[in-house]
Amino acid sequence: DSGVTQTPKHLITATGQRVTLRCSPRSGDLSVYWYQQSLDQGLQFLIQYYNGEERAKGNILERFSAQQFPDLHSELNLSSLELGDSALYFCASSVASGQGVEKLFFGSGTQLSVL
Amino acid sequence: SQQGEEDPQALSIQEGENATMNCSYKTSINNLQWYRQNSGRGLVHLILIRSNEREKHSGRLRVTLDTSKKSSSLLITASRAADTASYFCATDEVTSGSRLTFGEGTQLTVNP
Repeated sequence: DSGVTQTPKHLITATGQRVTLRCSPRSGDLSVYWYQQSLDQGLQFLIQYYNGEERAKGNILERFSAQQFPDLHSELNLSSLELGDSALYFCASSVASGQGVEKLFFGSGTQLSVL
Repeated sequence: SQQGEEDPQALSIQEGENATMNCSYKTSINNLQWYRQNSGRGLVHLILIRSNEREKHSGRLRVTLDTSKKSSSLLITASRAADTASYFCATDEVTSGSRLTFGEGTQLTVNP
């Protein structure tokens, strides 16, 4: 058990809908990362938050947004869903040291299926 | 975009044999990490090697880093069926800010 909690584990929805994925980082970790894993794109970095502020942004679509709350949990919002958004979405957390990215602790992921 | 390219894409060996996976990357890094993923599960951190280190060991794992060639290798000795998983290298690039960029992974199958 990594200590990172992601909910829900599975999500099935229709095109055009909006969903929210939730992540609780390990106790004491200030950084939260979101990744998307699909067969054709591999593991793609989406966005990172540190102590409530956006720190780095990857190839995140404009239809996607995220935030980190004062209690450090994070939510990833996906809207106007398309078939191609079907993927495994991972949250990871770390203790940001300011000297590069240290080891990440991954949650078990949310499997999103857009039908 | 993928920073790391891993080789081979798939590797099948017998229990007790050693498994070697390679990773190449393109830009300067702060560190390079290896992760393991069992089918559809979350990734688990295995080992981190910093840019000023050349070799690191952890149990049955040995990682090397050659920054002049921008490459790393992961050696798993005396493999077990339980080592069957996908293995990913991930780089913390100097210019990319706070993120890890993952390679495409090597699927390792250890046959009992």
